[in-house]
Amino acid sequence: EDQVTQSPEALRLQEGESSSLNCSYTVSGLRGLFWYRQDPGKGPEFLFTLYSAGEEKEKERLKATLTKKESFLHITAPKPEDSATYLCAVQAGGATNKLIFGTGTLLAVQP
Amino acid sequence: DTGVSQDPRHKITKRGQNVTFRCDPISEHNRLYWYRQTLGQGPEFLTYFQNEAQLEKSRLLSDRFSAERPKGSFSTLEIQRTEQGDSAMYLCASSSALAGDTTGELFFGEGSRLTVL
Repeated sequence: EDQVTQSPEALRLQEGESSSLNCSYTVSGLRGLFWYRQDPGKGPEFLFTLYSAGEEKEKERLKATLTKKESFLHITAPKPEDSATYLCAVQAGGATNKLIFGTGTLLAVQP
Repeated sequence: DTGVSQDPRHKITKRGQNVTFRCDPISEHNRLYWYRQTLGQGPEFLTYFQNEAQLEKSRLLSDRFSAERPKGSFSTLEIQRTEQGDSAMYLCASSSALAGDTTGELFFGEGSRLTVL
């Protein structure tokens, strides 16, 4: 069964303290792995798509990487405005168009 | 701003009543998705439309749920005979991916929160 597991469930950082979030997945024929950010009471906001092992993408203080079994979201020198829930999702191979989401990592960055 | 719009934002209903949610996607987007999200969980896929055709539906979706997208524009999601377990945030998303592409970047609305008493 296709599934996504994210860790840790929650992470508290001091401003400027870099860290990484993990997304482990099992999927039949990965077509894409996606990272989204979700603020309280809002819909998810797209961050990155990764397609194959070894691929990396960056945006401001965020960098996403992908291996055959997991993805990491590295946060460098975070700021309080980076506080949010970060969701990882995968799209399996075949004809499906659904994304399978993990339960997310709740990140709190304290000033 | 012409993002994804959902209505109503909040709905409180009694068990057994029917409810309907509306989603207006970004105008040039041909793909439309419905997801459901409960507290502490990630979004769970419900159904997918390409233009007006409903091409994929979750096996977990009960017969009480029905979705339409007439003319390939806005979409409605109806829940009949609501149950307390239906309480959740119902999220709509759209994208402009071409057929055969990955799902790509989904643009989500702010959701419709349903509370069933």
